[in-house]
Amino acid sequence: DVKVTQSSRYLVKRTGEKVFLECVQDMDHENMFWYRQDPGLGLRLIYFSYDVKMKEKGDIPEGYSVSREKKERFSLILESASTNQTSMYLCASRGQGVYEQYFGPGTRLTVT
Amino acid sequence: DAKTTQPTSMDCAEGRAANLPCNHSTISGNEYVYWYRQIHSQGPQYIIHGLKNNETNEMASLIITEDRKSSTLILPHATLRDTAVYYCIVRVKYNNNDMRFGAGTRLTVKP
Repeated sequence: DVKVTQSSRYLVKRTGEKVFLECVQDMDHENMFWYRQDPGLGLRLIYFSYDVKMKEKGDIPEGYSVSREKKERFSLILESASTNQTSMYLCASRGQGVYEQYFGPGTRLTVT
Repeated sequence: DAKTTQPTSMDCAEGRAANLPCNHSTISGNEYVYWYRQIHSQGPQYIIHGLKNNETNEMASLIITEDRKSSTLILPHATLRDTAVYYCIVRVKYNNNDMRFGAGTRLTVKP
């Protein structure tokens, strides 16, 4: 079974802190994604990566950056966390030419 | 990718069929219809996808209209565990880039 894991289920950070959210997948997938989910807004794509060291902006990249140094790992970085970044963050991966996207369990981030 | 429109919420009685509609009037010829669902506190889960023919698997059936401008996901015998948000997505199958989700339909299965 494909497994996508995220470093934390719950995280509390202070405004202005630098925050790292880690995602690891074990199926050698080329494509990885970061979404945030807020009530009433569904899932919104922040960034995605289709190869190591490659990244593409999604719909809401402002305030975020990403890093993909290894194929299995995709990190989301909040350079200076703000309260409006309090949200559920979901990571996903998908193989080349495959229709099914696999999601991690999510990280609920609270910025105070 | 074509935009989709889904109702915000729906109710269904346990044991009855749940029919979830999706409009995608701007769908193009090489775009597929995908359905995912998200049960509370979990990541989304793939359900089914199709191009123009009706599809069925162990989870659900997908009915796509002949003009492909709309589709319906059918859960034939809904259970309480089917309570979730259901997302309809239209995209090119082998687009290896993004997959975008909208707000989806919140299905509540009631006893």
